Amino acid sequence: AQTVTQSQPEMSVQEAETVTLSCTYDTSENNYYLFWYKQPPSRQMILVIRQEAYKQQNATENRFSVNFQKAAKSFSLKISDSQLGDTAMYFCAFAFEGKLIFGAGTRLAVHP
Amino acid sequence: DTGVSQNPRHKITKRGQNVTFRCDPISEHNRLYWYRQTLGQGPEFLTYFQNEAQLEKSRLLSDRFSAERPKGSFSTLEIQRTEQGDSAMYLCASSLGAAFNQPQHFGDGTRLSIL
Repeated sequence: AQTVTQSQPEMSVQEAETVTLSCTYDTSENNYYLFWYKQPPSRQMILVIRQEAYKQQNATENRFSVNFQKAAKSFSLKISDSQLGDTAMYFCAFAFEGKLIFGAGTRLAVHP
Repeated sequence: DTGVSQNPRHKITKRGQNVTFRCDPISEHNRLYWYRQTLGQGPEFLTYFQNEAQLEKSRLLSDRFSAERPKGSFSTLEIQRTEQGDSAMYLCASSLGAAFNQPQHFGDGTRLSIL
């Protein structure tokens, strides 16, 4: 069975600093996609970044980047130059058989 | 692109009543998904459609739940004889193609509260 684990229920960071959110997953599949979604207090889930498992290069999207370690089944999200608008729940997700399997989420608070 | 639209935003009902939620996906998206999210947890998959065909249903989807997507456009999720445990946020998402190569776009959700 596919599982996704986010071991940090809550994180906080000062504005302009860097923070890393952890995610591990378990699968026997070799080809898959991983995602980070952001859910601000307004509750709409927004895609932050995605990684294709067959690509060794880590994905980046502006201030957001991932550290994808396939052998370790680890998929962490780094947010650089944190902004107040980054305050949200962050969910790691694994795409499997046409659906997403989510972790429990990490609540990130960015403080001025 | 007007995004995924869900109605109503909030639904409060008494235990035992039936409720129906609606989801309008992004117009060109052929896949539509329903998830349930309880407080402090990540969304859990319920079911998904490709066009009008319901391709998979989670074991979380008891026989009190039914979802339809007539004509492959909007979808409805009905819960019959609601129970306290049905209180949750119900999220709809859509994508162009399979999730493994296309990201899912989510709506604002419908929050269901059972009295």
